[in-house]
Amino acid sequence: SQQGEEDPQALSIQEGENATMNCSYKTSINNLQWYRQNSGRGLVHLILIRSNEREKHSGRLRVTLDTSKKSSSLLITASRAADTASYFCATYDTDKLIFGTGTRLQVFP
Amino acid sequence: NAGVTQTPKFQVLKTGQSMTLQCAQDMNHNSMYWYRQDPGMGLRLIYYSASEGTTDKGEVPNGYNVSRLNKREFSLRLESAAPSQTSVYFCASVIYGQRAFFGQGTRLTVV
Repeated sequence: SQQGEEDPQALSIQEGENATMNCSYKTSINNLQWYRQNSGRGLVHLILIRSNEREKHSGRLRVTLDTSKKSSSLLITASRAADTASYFCATYDTDKLIFGTGTRLQVFP
Repeated sequence: NAGVTQTPKFQVLKTGQSMTLQCAQDMNHNSMYWYRQDPGMGLRLIYYSASEGTTDKGEVPNGYNVSRLNKREFSLRLESAAPSQTSVYFCASVIYGQRAFFGQGTRLTVV
């Protein structure tokens, strides 16, 4: 079974709105990562948050981590049509880098 | 600096044929991974190599073999392809505990 489960599975919003997606994981972690995938292409790393961090920002991205609930959220502010993609969280389970099921984000102009 | 290079990009196989997917990285990373992604799904780990000379099974290893040829190269072999192995295959390399770098994927169709 996959380490991470994300919700929602799919999200449709208008340009300018904020998009929030959530990730839950099962085991203890040192860090949690978020990746983006455009239309079946390779994944691109967005942001890494360490287990001792509660919040991290990068441009229009804001990631939170709650280790007591084993959950993380990714907020994209002021969404653009170019943000349309799938977003995945990932954590390490011993040596293995395991990905969540992903959220498909559609941003309409 | 090419990062992670996968070959081929596309392949069509007949059931029962064999093939090897190649992956090479030029970032001196110790760990390399092979994933498969089915339509609308996340990435499932097939095999990984935590360091040169070691390989381990992931979540879905059946029907696959791997070789960590050297630190740069990690290949995935399908000995007898089946339609259920139709998928997009991704290779990734990483310094353990840090971000992963992905290749552009191999789209494999088994007919």
